[in-house]
Amino acid sequence: QSQLQESGPGLVKPSETLSLTCNVSGGSISGNSYYWGWIRQPPGKTLEWIGSIYYSGSTFYNPSLKSRVTISVDTSKNLFSLSLSSVTAADTSVYFCVRQGSSRGPAEYWSQGTLVTVSS
Amino acid sequence: EIVLTQSPGTLSLSPGESAILSCRASESVYRGYLAWYQQKPGQAPRLLIYGASSRATGIPDRFSSGGSGTDFTLTISRLEPEDFAVYYCQQYDTSPFGFGPGTKVEIK
Repeated sequence: QSQLQESGPGLVKPSETLSLTCNVSGGSISGNSYYWGWIRQPPGKTLEWIGSIYYSGSTFYNPSLKSRVTISVDTSKNLFSLSLSSVTAADTSVYFCVRQGSSRGPAEYWSQGTLVTVSS
Repeated sequence: EIVLTQSPGTLSLSPGESAILSCRASESVYRGYLAWYQQKPGQAPRLLIYGASSRATGIPDRFSSGGSGTDFTLTISRLEPEDFAVYYCQQYDTSPFGFGPGTKVEIK
């Protein structure tokens, strides 16, 4: 059973880059056919899928964010990361990292979530 | 892009009653790749249902679901106090894997 824990700054200035890391425990990030993803939720709103990555580095992103998003994986450290550039107040959200069973799979395991606020 | 709508927005029920939640897609979710999640305040969502009708590990059988194409339902039989929460549907058939706006099930 995977446990996921995200980390990163809780406050980012407008136009800067938001960076978060998700540490995976309870199994290898390279195991099985899992995909590892990011989902966010603005306060009081619904969820938005950001993108996912396979341990090989294969990625796919939400087209609405694709120009600003990079998801990467470090198999040696058993973690994956999110980078979102040129942030605005609209990017203020709780960010979750998740495990998907496959490239087209639901989010089976979730981190607790971390609030990232974009403000000067 | 497949857009999901959920109804009703809020459902006010008493413990022991049944809840029927609807999720409608703007296009067919051809492979039935639809999931339901439960979210309580301050917590991460929890996967309840995947593949439109399969319960995730540890989910009690009072949660059931069905549907195909563009119309899906989640039924919660005999509501327990811990079932009062917000429920989201998500399609993971076609990128982007969008979520519905949610249905809040509240205590009447």
